[in-house]
Amino acid sequence: EVQLVESGGGLVKPGGSLRLSCAASGFTFSSYNMNWVRQAPGKGLEWVSYISTSSSYIYYADSVKGRFTISRDNAKNSLYLQMNSLRAEDTAVYYCAREISSDYYIDFWGQGTPVTVSS
Amino acid sequence: DIVMTQSPDSLAVSLGERATINCKSSQSVLYSSKNKNYLAWYQQKVGQPPKVLIYWASTRESGVPDRFSGSGSGTDFTLTISSLQAEDVAVYYCQQYYTTPRTFGQGTKLEIK
Repeated sequence: EVQLVESGGGLVKPGGSLRLSCAASGFTFSSYNMNWVRQAPGKGLEWVSYISTSSSYIYYADSVKGRFTISRDNAKNSLYLQMNSLRAEDTAVYYCAREISSDYYIDFWGQGTPVTVSS
Repeated sequence: DIVMTQSPDSLAVSLGERATINCKSSQSVLYSSKNKNYLAWYQQKVGQPPKVLIYWASTRESGVPDRFSGSGSGTDFTLTISSLQAEDVAVYYCQQYYTTPRTFGQGTKLEIK
């Protein structure tokens, strides 16, 4: 069974940092591109970041560029998102999402981990 | 960035009736050399993550009921639910994966009339 399990979310003060993790199982993690997508409370979906299978290609939304860093460890079947200089507007549920490397669309999402940035 | 605009923002349809959601991109998402539209549709039910319904604008994901269909090309796309069921109540999003940033439409909330 394909699973993506996010962890690491929580309450953090503005300017603080968090590191999100996504543990993958049930498929060959190294064969898939991965994304982080977030959803602010009551709002729509916002793509955050992308990393290719071997980490050769990495992209960020302008809203997080310079503050967030995506990475992966294929040996550990894990995806990460290091979030620094957090702002109130970063408050959201963060989803880890698998992307078929040859077709480029997201075909599976984790359940998400909530991040709240508040003093 | 490619801007994705969905219409309507919300929709109420009677059980068994057709529901139609539109999505327009600010530039073409048709990759001419492959003759493929880099457009997907997702369904998100309350309290759940999104689930892919349609990719390449018109290819139904495995396991998705055939009452869901996608059409369109270039900049104009449509998701159609041919006969609405109670379990189809959700928010529906289109997304382009033609380029980064991978932008989503604002979502269309579908309810039962």
